[in-house]
Amino acid sequence: QKEVEQNSGPLSVPEGAIASLNCTYSDRGSQSFFWYRQYSGKSPELIMFIYSNGDKEDGRFTAQLNKASQYVSLLIRDSQPSDSATYLCAVLQGAQKLVFGQGTRLTINP
Amino acid sequence: SAVISQKPSRDICQRGTSLTIQCQVDSQVTMMFWYRQQPGQSLTLIATANQGSEATYESGFVIDKFPISRPNLTFSTLTVSNMSPEDSSIYLCSVELGLGEQYFGPGTRLTVT
Repeated sequence: QKEVEQNSGPLSVPEGAIASLNCTYSDRGSQSFFWYRQYSGKSPELIMFIYSNGDKEDGRFTAQLNKASQYVSLLIRDSQPSDSATYLCAVLQGAQKLVFGQGTRLTINP
Repeated sequence: SAVISQKPSRDICQRGTSLTIQCQVDSQVTMMFWYRQQPGQSLTLIATANQGSEATYESGFVIDKFPISRPNLTFSTLTVSNMSPEDSSIYLCSVELGLGEQYFGPGTRLTVT
């Protein structure tokens, strides 16, 4: 079992719809979770982080965390073509090591 | 966040040579990290570089192949030694600004021929 798993996609969503990206992790002791967006040819950009169970909203983005199910998700509302990118889920192991999932490629269709 | 720069942005190198990648951040940070991202793949941590101590390498990465320097709180270098085509990748540095949040530099795209 991989430490951090994501559906590699590609995930195709029509413009204006909600994009839902999912991530599961194996280390039950993990406490901090991150979502990065990576455009083709660019480096990863931190867009959301979440530490507590429940939802955290920032603009069109909502991160959801369920530690009991070891599940993290990212919702993108009112999806725009500019949201087309690869989204990487990362989990903090211990005090400093980020472990990344393989990423989900998202395409927003106009 | 922080402003992070890397040099070079890309390079094409011959097999058997070495390349040193520089990472500069605009503020003092305790923890810097070096990652590799192979084509179409996710990020793999090479090592953690803390100022004033030896770098900590992840399984599968050794100091002889990837020596790291961290001379101060704003700068680090990663050297890719005795390169082979399998070392062709994007190399990224990152800094940790608290609570595990890491911010990445623009990356160095390395091609080994």
